[in-house]
Amino acid sequence: GENVEQHPSTLSVQEGDSAVIKCTYSDSASNYFPWYKQELGKGPQLIIDIRSNVGEKKDQRIAVTLNKTAKHFSLHITETQPEDSAVYFCAASRADTGTASKLTFGTGTRLQVTL
Amino acid sequence: GAGVSQSPSNKVTEKGKDVELRCDPISGHTALYWYRQSLGQGLEFLIYFQGNSAPDKSGLPSDRFSAERTGGSVSTLTIQRTQQEDSAVYLCASGHIFYEQYFGPGTRLTVT
Repeated sequence: GENVEQHPSTLSVQEGDSAVIKCTYSDSASNYFPWYKQELGKGPQLIIDIRSNVGEKKDQRIAVTLNKTAKHFSLHITETQPEDSAVYFCAASRADTGTASKLTFGTGTRLQVTL
Repeated sequence: GAGVSQSPSNKVTEKGKDVELRCDPISGHTALYWYRQSLGQGLEFLIYFQGNSAPDKSGLPSDRFSAERTGGSVSTLTIQRTQQEDSAVYLCASGHIFYEQYFGPGTRLTVT
C-alpha cells in the first residue's frame, strides 16, 4: 500500500518568512495530493490540493509543487503570519474519476510562526 | 454552508462498553469516510462509503468496529467491547467531487 513520509516534524519561522514542508510517496499510481491544516481541537481543513497532471498550483500565499518522477511534493507558505501556526498534513490517494478513494497521510508538521 | 458535523464531540466510556459515533455529511456528498487520529498512529483510514457501492472496510482494525450509512446520508461508527487502545479522535469526512474530502470536527473517545 501507499506510504507517505513528511518532513520536518516541527518548523519554526519568523513572521514574514517562508515555510516549506516536504512529502514523499511510494505508490506511483497515486494521483491526488491534498494538504490539510489542523488547529488545536479542530478537524483537518483542506487548504490546497494538486492532481498529478500539473506540476504546480498556487493560491495566494500558498503553493504546492509536485515532482512525479521523484515522487515528492511540497507545500510552500510565503509571508507567514501568526495565524498560519498549526499542524499541517500532506496526503496521497489514487483517485479515479467517479470513484472515492482513501487518503494516506503523512505524520504531520507542527508549524510555529513567531513574532 | 453547513459543514460536516459529528456527535458527540467528546465521549468517555468504560472498557468493555459499546459506543456509537455519528456523522452528518455535507448535503449532497456521495462519499463518506471515517478516519482515526491517535498520538501513536497519526491519521489512519478506517472505512468509506461511496454512493450505493459496497463500502471499503479495509482499514477497520478489528471486527469490533463496524459502520453503516443509512439512506446515503448519516453514518454511524460502532465500536463494540471498547478497549483502551481505541482511545483516539474519530474523524468523519465527506466529498462531492471525486477528489476533495472535507472533515468534521471529530469525536474524542476516551476509554477508561
